[in-house]
Amino acid sequence: AQSVTQPDIHITVSEGASLELRCNYSYGATPYLFWYVQSPGQGLQLLLKYFSGDTLVQGIKGFEAEFKRSQSSFNLRKPSVHWSDAAEYFCAVGPRSNDYKLSFGAGTTVTVRA
Amino acid sequence: EAGVTQFPSHSVIEKGQTVTLRCDPISGHDNLYWYRRVMGKEIKFLLHFVKESKQDESGMPNNRFLAERTGGTYSTLKVQPAELEDSGVYFCASSKYIQQGREGNEKLFFGSGTQLSVL
Repeated sequence: AQSVTQPDIHITVSEGASLELRCNYSYGATPYLFWYVQSPGQGLQLLLKYFSGDTLVQGIKGFEAEFKRSQSSFNLRKPSVHWSDAAEYFCAVGPRSNDYKLSFGAGTTVTVRA
Repeated sequence: EAGVTQFPSHSVIEKGQTVTLRCDPISGHDNLYWYRRVMGKEIKFLLHFVKESKQDESGMPNNRFLAERTGGTYSTLKVQPAELEDSGVYFCASSKYIQQGREGNEKLFFGSGTQLSVL
């Protein structure tokens, strides 16, 4: 059975500092991988996705993620955090045959301090 | 272009009552999905409509949950009778294509969710 683990429930980071959110997955084959963000009062917004090819994926809002097959990881990074990045972040995986049927992690809440 | 809209944004009901959640997908999106997040845990897939047909309802937890999409436009998710463990956030999403694809605009669009509290 597939599962997604986000080890960090809550992260606090200073504005301007770098951010890394961890994601590990368990899956029978290489899935499609996604990162979503939910800001207060908003819906889930896709930040980036990995399907194949270059293992370093660029997304919106200055985010990037690196797929590491050997570690079954898909960590999200941002070099310099802005106050508007305070939100909840979800890692998700989907089967290549039906990638709408996503399995999500429990989420990581990011707090940005001035 | 309007996004995915969900009503109500919050609902507080007592155990045993009935609640109906509504989702209006993006116009032209044949695919509509329901997900839910219970107790701050993982967001889990409930079901998928293609137009008015249920393509996959493997995630529906039990027969107290009934989803409909008459006419292939908006969808409702009814919980009857509601139990305490049904509390959580119910998300709806829609997509034009059945698969997200490698690039371009094919992707899932999520609504902001309905926060359901069963007391």
